[in-house]
Amino acid sequence: EAQVTQNPRYLITVTGKKLTVTCSQNMNHEYMSWYRQDPGLGLRQIYYSMNVEVTDKGDVPEGYKVSRKEKRNFPLILESPSPNQTSLYFCASSSLDSLGEQYFGPGTRLTVT
Amino acid sequence: QKEVEQNSGPLSVPEGAIASLNCTYSDRGSQSFFWYRQYSGKSPELIMFIYSNGDKEDGRFTAQLNKASQYVSLLIRDSQPSDSATYLCAVWGGGKLIFGQGTELSVKP
Repeated sequence: EAQVTQNPRYLITVTGKKLTVTCSQNMNHEYMSWYRQDPGLGLRQIYYSMNVEVTDKGDVPEGYKVSRKEKRNFPLILESPSPNQTSLYFCASSSLDSLGEQYFGPGTRLTVT
Repeated sequence: QKEVEQNSGPLSVPEGAIASLNCTYSDRGSQSFFWYRQYSGKSPELIMFIYSNGDKEDGRFTAQLNKASQYVSLLIRDSQPSDSATYLCAVWGGGKLIFGQGTELSVKP
């Protein structure tokens, strides 16, 4: 089954404690992206990657890091989480010839206290 | 001006009616347009895409694009309670997918 998986699905953590949210896709997609979704603000792109070892900032990259060492994986790293990073996070992927037709993971709900 | 604008709703329609969801975008050079559906607590799911002016039909769904007016719409015919969700309009532009805030649709039995 074609899918994007994320882990963990739910996470409660404290300010400053480094965390990683994993994302993996099994569709051999070149393009992967991270979004956060907040009430009243909609979906905003954090980082994206057009292929292995190629990453770029989206609209709200501050406080986040990513890496793309393998085509299937695109982890999101919060080095020092803060309460304003409490949000619902989605990973998504697509092929390069249909970039807007994105497959989304199930989401990770993060709470930073 | 927001890049992609939608009425937030909620839009309420009776079962069996036509639901009409609208979206405007600011970048006149945009070429690709998408509608995603998001059920409460779930992830967005692509339901329609349209690249050319005019209408595109898929089952009960019709996407309409008017590039001159910078307007995209989604019609849902014979609306069902299972169509109750938030519908996100998205436009590909500047190397990224830009989402509107979404329109909440409620279909009443």
